[in-house]
Amino acid sequence: DARVTQTPRHKVTEMGQEVTMRCQPILGHNTVFWYRQTMMQGLELLAYFRNRAPLDDSGMPKDRFSAEMPDATLATLKIQPSEPRDSAVYFCASGLVVGGTDTQYFGPGTRLTVL
Amino acid sequence: AQKITQTQPGMFVQEKEAVTLDCTYDTSDQSYGLFWYKQPSSGEMIFLIYQGSYDEQNATEGRYSLNFQKARKSANLVISASQLGDSAMYFCVRGRDYKLSFGAGTTVTVRA
Repeated sequence: DARVTQTPRHKVTEMGQEVTMRCQPILGHNTVFWYRQTMMQGLELLAYFRNRAPLDDSGMPKDRFSAEMPDATLATLKIQPSEPRDSAVYFCASGLVVGGTDTQYFGPGTRLTVL
Repeated sequence: AQKITQTQPGMFVQEKEAVTLDCTYDTSDQSYGLFWYKQPSSGEMIFLIYQGSYDEQNATEGRYSLNFQKARKSANLVISASQLGDSAMYFCVRGRDYKLSFGAGTTVTVRA
């Protein structure tokens, strides 16, 4: 049963620290997404990659957030420096572009708490 | 932003009964997709079912079926034979290309 995996599942850190979240997309998928979920804002798209190329990061605070795909099996989301307002659940999702609107399969999420 | 409306914030359903979750959406696009995702208390986001805007038949996936009425811009989810494990938040989602728009969600609680 192919699944998106994310590490860590939970992270508690102090303001100003660097946070790195990792995602392994489903093998064979060519799109990767990073989302942030909060009670106030719901789900927000932070970044979108297709074939490892970043195509949309307009939802990401540029000054402190960065997203990369070093290879097809790993996507990373970094926050440096972290702030309490970054506390949220961060989801990675992957999909396969075959035309039209493609189904996105979500990982279990990383619950981040910044103190 | 094109809006997704889920008018039922919370619902209770008896085990083994069917439940219908309402969803309406705005769109000016001809080609789009509609999804339902389930988010249990554990927090994961689980894909349930997909309907393409050009699909003539309503999508079904096991106990899930999507009642798609394109002219009314409606995409209701029907869960048949509810189980205790169906207790969760359910999101109606409209997709256009790679962008997903989520409704506010409906919390379903299944009673034994």
